[in-house]
Amino acid sequence: RKEVEQDPGPFNVPEGATVAFNCTYSNSASQSFFWYRQDCRKEPKLLMSVYSSGNEDGRFTAQLNRASQYISLLIRDSKLSDSATYLCVVNLYNQGGKLIFGQGTELSVKP
Amino acid sequence: DTAVSQTPKYLVTQMGNDKSIKCEQNLGHDTMYWYKQDSKKFLKIMFSYNNKELIINETVPNRFSPKSPDKAHLNLHINSLELGDSAVYFCASSQESSWGVGNRNTIYFGEGSWLTVV
Repeated sequence: RKEVEQDPGPFNVPEGATVAFNCTYSNSASQSFFWYRQDCRKEPKLLMSVYSSGNEDGRFTAQLNRASQYISLLIRDSKLSDSATYLCVVNLYNQGGKLIFGQGTELSVKP
Repeated sequence: DTAVSQTPKYLVTQMGNDKSIKCEQNLGHDTMYWYKQDSKKFLKIMFSYNNKELIINETVPNRFSPKSPDKAHLNLHINSLELGDSAVYFCASSQESSWGVGNRNTIYFGEGSWLTVV
């Protein structure tokens, strides 16, 4: 089983749609959680950290369920510029700075 | 003004050659990394250095040798290149070498070096 699993997609949605991505992680020692965004042929960039109580940043909402070892990202009112690959990232407390990346979920927002 | 810069951006080379990728960060961070992204898009850590000291060394063939002359630089030398080494190599840096609950440590990636071995 992969340490971090995501549905690779692609998710094809119209502008204005709400889309949700899910991610599961296998190691219960996971401590810190993030969503990164990677545009085609570009480097990954931090989109948002994910906190236990859930957090929101504009149109983006992240949720964490430790019991189910599950992380989600909700994007409301999708824009064309949201088209990218969204990477779920987990850090294991007992492995210091080792970030484990999911394969990523590809999102394509169409006009 | 690029925060994490790596060169070259594109590299095409023949099997058996030796090549290096250089990385520099001007963020004043203590920790630097090399990540590899393969054709299936998985991004995996190879090495990390904290203040010039190796702290993470994943199961990477010893043909790959990182070198950190100072905390702002982390270079990657690859000997005897193989077809399977073709990938995108990302350098990255962060202020700290670990993450904890509520820790705002953020990792910044360079633009990547596209290596093709033919």
